[in-house]
Amino acid sequence: EPEVTQTPSHQVTQMGQEVILRCVPISNHLYFYWYRQILGQKVEFLVSFYNNEISEKSEIFDDQFSVERPDGSNFTLKIRSTKLEDSAMYFCASNKRGATDTQYFGPGTRLTVL
Amino acid sequence: GQQVMQIPQYQHVQEGEDFTTYCNSSTTLSNIQWYKQRPGGHPVFLIQLVKSGEVKKQKRLTFQFGEAKKNSSLHITATQTTDVGTYFCAVRAGGTSYGKLTFGQGTILTVHP
Repeated sequence: EPEVTQTPSHQVTQMGQEVILRCVPISNHLYFYWYRQILGQKVEFLVSFYNNEISEKSEIFDDQFSVERPDGSNFTLKIRSTKLEDSAMYFCASNKRGATDTQYFGPGTRLTVL
Repeated sequence: GQQVMQIPQYQHVQEGEDFTTYCNSSTTLSNIQWYKQRPGGHPVFLIQLVKSGEVKKQKRLTFQFGEAKKNSSLHITATQTTDVGTYFCAVRAGGTSYGKLTFGQGTILTVHP
């Protein structure tokens, strides 16, 4: 069964550094998402992406965040200058429009900001 | 956006006991989805409910959507240790097949053997 993949599984960075989290969505999916989950809390929506542009973003997704689909397979989340409070699990998800209403989540990247 | 409150936050049961988690909203929901997240894992889709009063079953799991479409429940009969994890309800925005998901706070289920 096709899966969403994410790299790296764990990223440790210093406050103020830039990080790029990578995702490969399921190949025939059209909608892509980033969510985050701070330890012990609920999953929170960050951004959705369709047709090479952002469809919707939450208030968490400020100017420090950006997303990109640089080629036909990868979907990236960049945090320009990380803060301590950015430490969380970041999940990528993808959705095939129409045929299914299921968002398939990747295994996540645990970001630790020191 | 639509918000959902989920209770209880924690539930500890003995293996073989039943378990129920509830999801409530002050507004009418177009849909409700349920996800399971194993410890250290990612959310995995379980089911989607869209119709008023809908009941769906998956083996020992029973999902209900209230008549007013403002609440939902997940009931597990005779829990097993493999049921351990966090159960989240989520609402998909906009009535579309691709809207963002808004998650409840989740119920952490612990099953003692």
